[in-house]
Amino acid sequence: QKEVEQNSGPLSVPEGAIASLNCTYSDRGSQSFFWYRQYSGKSPELIMFIYSNGDKEDGRFTAQLNKASQYVSLLIRDSQPSDSATYLCAVKGGTGFQKLVFGTGTRLLVSP
Amino acid sequence: GAVVSQHPSRVICKSGTSVKIECRSLDFQATTMFWYRQFPKKSLMLMATSNEGSKATYEQGVEKDKFLINHASLTLSTLTVTSAHPEDSSFYICSARGVGEKLFFGSGTQLSVL
Repeated sequence: QKEVEQNSGPLSVPEGAIASLNCTYSDRGSQSFFWYRQYSGKSPELIMFIYSNGDKEDGRFTAQLNKASQYVSLLIRDSQPSDSATYLCAVKGGTGFQKLVFGTGTRLLVSP
Repeated sequence: GAVVSQHPSRVICKSGTSVKIECRSLDFQATTMFWYRQFPKKSLMLMATSNEGSKATYEQGVEKDKFLINHASLTLSTLTVTSAHPEDSSFYICSARGVGEKLFFGSGTQLSVL
């Protein structure tokens, strides 16, 4: 079982819609959860991080964490074509103390 | 915000040569830096954790004699790919831990070994 799993996509949404990106993790002791955006040929950039169960909102982005279900998601409201990128879920803590484990990423395509 | 500078951004080399990649934290001190490798359409795979003033910690399956890491100061870590071969061609990314949990990435180095 992969440590961090994401659907590779692509996830296609029209401009203005809500994009929902999902991620599950296997290490129940994981403490910190991150969402990164990566454009093709570029390095990842941090969008959001979340530590506690529930929702965390930042502008058009909302991260949702459910530790009981070992599930973290990212919602992007009012999606824009510029949001088209690969979104990487990353998990830290638990047995791999310093290590940040990345999922394979979900490719998001926002059509005008 | 925190900035991590990585150079070079792209390098093409002949098989058997060595390539050095530099990673600098420009406006903060990083006692720990991380080196990742990413193959096309794959996720980032942690290669090693670089600690200032001590030996790097390598992930399972990563050859420490092939991927030499030096973290000589609080702002500089280097990765040297020794005797590079075509299978080492990949996107190499460094990162440094800033304030709290945030991890900031360098711009990456695309290595192509002919």
